Amino acid sequence: AQSVTQPDIHITVSEGASLELRCNYSYGATPYLFWYVQSPGQGLQLLLKYFSGDTLVQGIKGFEAEFKRSQSSFNLRKPSVHWSDAAEYFCAVYTDSWGKFQFGAGTQVVVTP
Amino acid sequence: GAVVSQHPSWVICKSGTSVKIECRSLDFQATTMFWYRQFPKQSLMLMATSNEGSKATYEQGVEKDKFLINHASLTLSTLTVTSAHPEDSSFYICSASEGLGNEQFFGPGTRLTVL
Repeated sequence: AQSVTQPDIHITVSEGASLELRCNYSYGATPYLFWYVQSPGQGLQLLLKYFSGDTLVQGIKGFEAEFKRSQSSFNLRKPSVHWSDAAEYFCAVYTDSWGKFQFGAGTQVVVTP
Repeated sequence: GAVVSQHPSWVICKSGTSVKIECRSLDFQATTMFWYRQFPKQSLMLMATSNEGSKATYEQGVEKDKFLINHASLTLSTLTVTSAHPEDSSFYICSASEGLGNEQFFGPGTRLTVL
């Protein structure tokens, strides 16, 4: 069955520290991969996406993600977290054959001073 | 980038009434629009996919007679929650794309509260 897994429901990180959010997927072929961020009561903002090519993808707000085919992973990273990065982060997967997105359960990021 | 708007951003209604939520693509033609529902502290759940000019395709478990979707133009899709009940209270988010296989752009969401 197709699935998207975000193993960490909640992560607390100190401001200025690095952040890594995990995402694993289970699909027959390499899907299109996305990371979105959602602030409370808001819609989704696209951070970055991977369709093909370079497996290290740069996004907005200083985020990057690396696609690793062997591990079926697409982990999101940021070298130095800012207080404004506190939000909910969703990994999403899309395949042409399926024609729709599937979202992971989300990871809540809390940033402490 | 492409912009998708939703109206209203929040709505409170009485049980038994119907509520219509609009989703508009402001600067592109959205051949396909998606409607999601999000419960507090949970992920987005796809409710239905709509293509302009045709009937929506509903996900398993979603009542099509309760959640009416109309995609009459390339820039507008509407979701009508009919005979709303408190359990329909949720955050509804739409997204739009220029077609299957193209990137989806998400609206800001609509908070529905049914009293």
